[in-house]
Amino acid sequence: QSALTQPASVSGSPGQSITISCTGTSGDVGSYNLVSWYQHHPGKAPKLMIYEGSKRPSGVSNRFSGSKSDNTASLTISGLQAEDEADYYCCSYAGSSTYANYVFGTGTKVTVL
Amino acid sequence: EVQLVESGGGLVQPGRSLRLSCAASGFTFDDFAMHWVRQAPGQGLEWVAGISWNTGSVAYGDSVKGRFTISRDNAKNSLYLQMYSLRVEDTALYYCAKGARGAAAFDWFDPWGQGTQVTVSS
Repeated sequence: QSALTQPASVSGSPGQSITISCTGTSGDVGSYNLVSWYQHHPGKAPKLMIYEGSKRPSGVSNRFSGSKSDNTASLTISGLQAEDEADYYCCSYAGSSTYANYVFGTGTKVTVL
Repeated sequence: EVQLVESGGGLVQPGRSLRLSCAASGFTFDDFAMHWVRQAPGQGLEWVAGISWNTGSVAYGDSVKGRFTISRDNAKNSLYLQMYSLRVEDTALYYCAKGARGAAAFDWFDPWGQGTQVTVSS
């Protein structure tokens, strides 16, 4: 199972919007509405930001939104803030003949200029 | 507040075994699937294994299948990862994560623990 493809880095100025893409295949992203996104500050536990493609957990800012088109999922951060600087990973359910399987993206480092 | 605390990591020689534990609190442990996810140095996240609420179903990532065993003790609110035949490439920070469902399939991970470091080296 190959990792989902994300850009290595994305940057933006405070207040701007950025979008991170996550490209998979018809066997994972394209087949299931089960993409989740995680924010990871180095040295801390990863944090769920989006689940089921576009749903936000309680407590996550509405500046974060998710979407999907065919085999590509996207995370948009609007009104970029300094605290958004972190690594972001997408993850998709990938089905399996052995009950369950998940594949993560390659990760994107977001820099706030 | 949901808390997940991993332990059991350390330095181990290639070919040896190690058992990781994850102590859970703040939620009804036996209502939810649990997962292990790891991050090798300088690399991205990799799903390792998942287990359903009642231990009835387990699943593994391809890179650990046949070498790792996930289990849980609902009476002790604890999740485990028994790792056999460890390889240098298993060196990583291992995270315990709570699933959102009872089944480990069609799931996502929230929250995560702080992780426990496993280093495989001679």
